[in-house]
Amino acid sequence: KAGVTQTPRYLIKTRGQQVTLSCSPISGHRSVSWYQQTPGQGLQFLFEYFSETQRNKGNFPGRFSGRQFSNSRSEMNVSTLELGDSALYLCASSWGHGRTNTEAFFGQGTRLTVV
Amino acid sequence: QQQVKQSPQSLIVQKGGISIINCAYENTAFDYFPWYQQFPGKGPALLIAIRPDVSEKKEGRFTISFNKSAKQFSLHIMDSQPGDSATYFCAASQDTGAGSYQLTFGKGTKLSVIP
Repeated sequence: KAGVTQTPRYLIKTRGQQVTLSCSPISGHRSVSWYQQTPGQGLQFLFEYFSETQRNKGNFPGRFSGRQFSNSRSEMNVSTLELGDSALYLCASSWGHGRTNTEAFFGQGTRLTVV
Repeated sequence: QQQVKQSPQSLIVQKGGISIINCAYENTAFDYFPWYQQFPGKGPALLIAIRPDVSEKKEGRFTISFNKSAKQFSLHIMDSQPGDSATYFCAASQDTGAGSYQLTFGKGTKLSVIP
């Protein structure tokens, strides 16, 4: 059974640009959550999508957005990149309903560097 | 406000020893407490998890102890091995509505097991 796949693994962008990251969840999982990981702030929740709808959102500016497609694949977008957006962006998938929803499985992440 | 406090920040243990990592939380609505293990360059991997109706859960060399009244939980790694050297994160989650579970992470503990 394939795990959570995130692409690309590495990205280097310039300040002011925008970036799109992709996540393919485990087959059958309908919930996709995104997290930002930095040395200073640790793992912080960005948002969660379930059945193409944003179900929950963390405390991040509107420059951070996402969407989910009918096949549960998800993308997140960051516009007007800032140096502070440099981080490892992690995607986690889960069933999305019932108590088994709590078991979240992470991908390897996309390392974004803003220069 | 950090809702899950994790200690210590780093830990060095001799091979064969016991590694103990502690976490404390404030939000009594949390109802699921997982531990994640992360190796460099990888995403966090679910290690073991517990719900508050259980005081202890053991899986192989890994044990979670949970104290609901003190709002504390800890991870014990018995017979620690060099291969256990990684960063460990405790987390907690609750249903934020509509079946959405948002993970709140501790800051992480970098464990080094020396031969």
